[in-house]
Amino acid sequence: GQSLEQPSEVTAVEGAIVQINCTYQTSGFYGLSWYQQHDGGAPTFLSYNALDGLEETGRFSSFLSRSDSYGYLLLQELQMKDSASYFCAAASSNAGKSTFGDGTTLTVKP
Amino acid sequence: DTAVSQTPKYLVTQMGNDKSIKCEQNLGHDTMYWYKQDSKKFLKIMFSYNNKELIINETVPNRFSPKSPDKAHLNLHINSLELGDSAVYFCASSSGPEGYTFGSGTRLTVV
Repeated sequence: GQSLEQPSEVTAVEGAIVQINCTYQTSGFYGLSWYQQHDGGAPTFLSYNALDGLEETGRFSSFLSRSDSYGYLLLQELQMKDSASYFCAAASSNAGKSTFGDGTTLTVKP
Repeated sequence: DTAVSQTPKYLVTQMGNDKSIKCEQNLGHDTMYWYKQDSKKFLKIMFSYNNKELIINETVPNRFSPKSPDKAHLNLHINSLELGDSAVYFCASSSGPEGYTFGSGTRLTVV
């Protein structure tokens, strides 16, 4: 089967750095994606890692270690607007199907 | 300009009714999906279509029937609605495993 684990909640202050971890068990693993979802909104794509290493996109970076079945999303210079739910999603060889983790609620405090 | 659009945005209906949700994407993607997000925000895949062909059906009750008239459209019809069907339903599309584009969601409330 497919399963992903990520923390349910994380709290940090404005300007800080926060890391959201994700471990996965996915047969036919292709890559790991991250999505952001604000309350009442739709998930929006942040990043995708197919290979080991770090991908950087502005204040957000994502890391993957295939050997450890582990990845993380790093958010730097946190802003209040970063308060949202963050989902990791593992893509499998099953027609590109992605299984989502249960989400991490990030609360950024002043 | 909307990439993935789904209608309606809100749907309130009585138990036992039949309803449909429509989805269209203008991104030229080959694959479209329906996901269900429950009150705990868990996102679960329901169906996936690739070029109008059903490729994933994730243990969804037969009351749910997707239809894809062409690769830009994937509709979801639900028969005999039950209270437990209340959720937000998201349509999404992709060209590969690297990332989905989601529609804005349809909040279904069954009363």
